[in-house]
Amino acid sequence: EAGVTQFPSHSVIEKGQTVTLRCDPISGHDNLYWYRRVMGKEIKFLLHFVKESKQDESGMPNNRFLAERTGGTYSTLKVQPAELEDSGVYFCASRFLGGLNTEAFFGQGTRLTVV
Amino acid sequence: AQSVTQLDSHVSVSEGTPVLLRCNYSSSYSPSLFWYVQHPNKGLQLLLKYTSAATLVKGINGFEAEFKKSETSFHLTKPSAHMSDAAEYFCVVSGLEGGYNKLIFGAGTRLAVHP
Repeated sequence: EAGVTQFPSHSVIEKGQTVTLRCDPISGHDNLYWYRRVMGKEIKFLLHFVKESKQDESGMPNNRFLAERTGGTYSTLKVQPAELEDSGVYFCASRFLGGLNTEAFFGQGTRLTVV
Repeated sequence: AQSVTQLDSHVSVSEGTPVLLRCNYSSSYSPSLFWYVQHPNKGLQLLLKYTSAATLVKGINGFEAEFKKSETSFHLTKPSAHMSDAAEYFCVVSGLEGGYNKLIFGAGTRLAVHP
């Protein structure tokens, strides 16, 4: 069974540019989460999809961030325009549509550096 | 609101000695708790999870954790550390917050193992 896959693994962009991160969840997992870890800080929740619907986007930092999950399969997270403080590692996780005790499976993350 | 506190940001042990990584949680509901490990340049991997079935939970690679409701703790232990255990460990609580199923991360504990 393939795990959660994230593309790219690394991205270096200039301030003001646009970057799109992609996450392919485990097939059949309706729950998809995005998290971010800024250097030296905690892993913070960004948003949660159930199928193609945004269930909770309370963690999105501002309107420069746009997440989509068309068709309820893969998801993209676009940052436009990128700022220096957006640098960090962006993790995606997927989870079967079950109870609170179902585990989440994480991708390896995308390391974003804004210069 | 739910929260997770990992009491040590860094723990250093000698190979062959016991490991103790401490985690305290706060939750209004009966939570599900997880420990994840992240090795360098890898994704987050599930070590073990507590789902109210048993208070002592055994995980992979010889790790175990005990859920203590009276102390609101879920400490991770291993009798004998191995060099390959050097990694960062995250305690995670899963529960309902604002009607949403959230995964809340602790700040992480970086484990160093010395020969």
